[in-house]
Amino acid sequence: DQQVKQNSPSLSVQEGRISILNCDYTNSMFDYFLWYKKYPAEGPTFLISISSIKDKNEDGRFTVFLNKSAKHLSLHIVPSQPGDSAVYFCAASEGTDKLIFGTGTRLQVFP
Amino acid sequence: GAVVSQHPSRVICKSGTSVKIECRSLDFQATTMFWYRQFPKQSLMLMATSNEGSKATYEQGVEKDKFLINHASLTLSTLTVTSAHPEDSSFYICSASGPVGETQYFGPGTRLLVL
Repeated sequence: DQQVKQNSPSLSVQEGRISILNCDYTNSMFDYFLWYKKYPAEGPTFLISISSIKDKNEDGRFTVFLNKSAKHLSLHIVPSQPGDSAVYFCAASEGTDKLIFGTGTRLQVFP
Repeated sequence: GAVVSQHPSRVICKSGTSVKIECRSLDFQATTMFWYRQFPKQSLMLMATSNEGSKATYEQGVEKDKFLINHASLTLSTLTVTSAHPEDSSFYICSASGPVGETQYFGPGTRLLVL
């Protein structure tokens, strides 16, 4: 039973346009959500997070939106850059418990 | 920001041997460390959670006698893959969190290849 789902395994976006990565979860007890970016042969690096008390968090080109009623979060990257090409994992946790990761979405930003 | 290192970054070993992977938090005290395994095209799978000075908590399906975890200090956790087999070949990633349970900081990962 996968509690965190990223239904799109891949996404291709033109440079300068917006990239939207989606993530759904099933556990209503999750109260902290994170996005990680992973390049090949490297560990994931933390990108941005959001607490369940918020519905939006912005950091530069990256914005995460949380819709608790739909149990859905999304990561917006605008404008997209070729260096953003990577695998993006969303993750969720309940309190300080372990992170539950999604399966990842491979983003490719082309010129 | 917080830095977590892993050593070695890559290891190749013969089947039947044991391999030790170190995970270190370089600029903070990691009260909790996590060990993940990544499978091709799949998400990171949590193997175990270790707290400094206590026994690790293993996830269901993970053999504790095969994957030995030691968290001897607030900056070091080790994962030992005992009697490694080719199916253990994978990418092992550790992460660490500080005393207030803030976000986890991931290490760069260790690629294990068992021949």
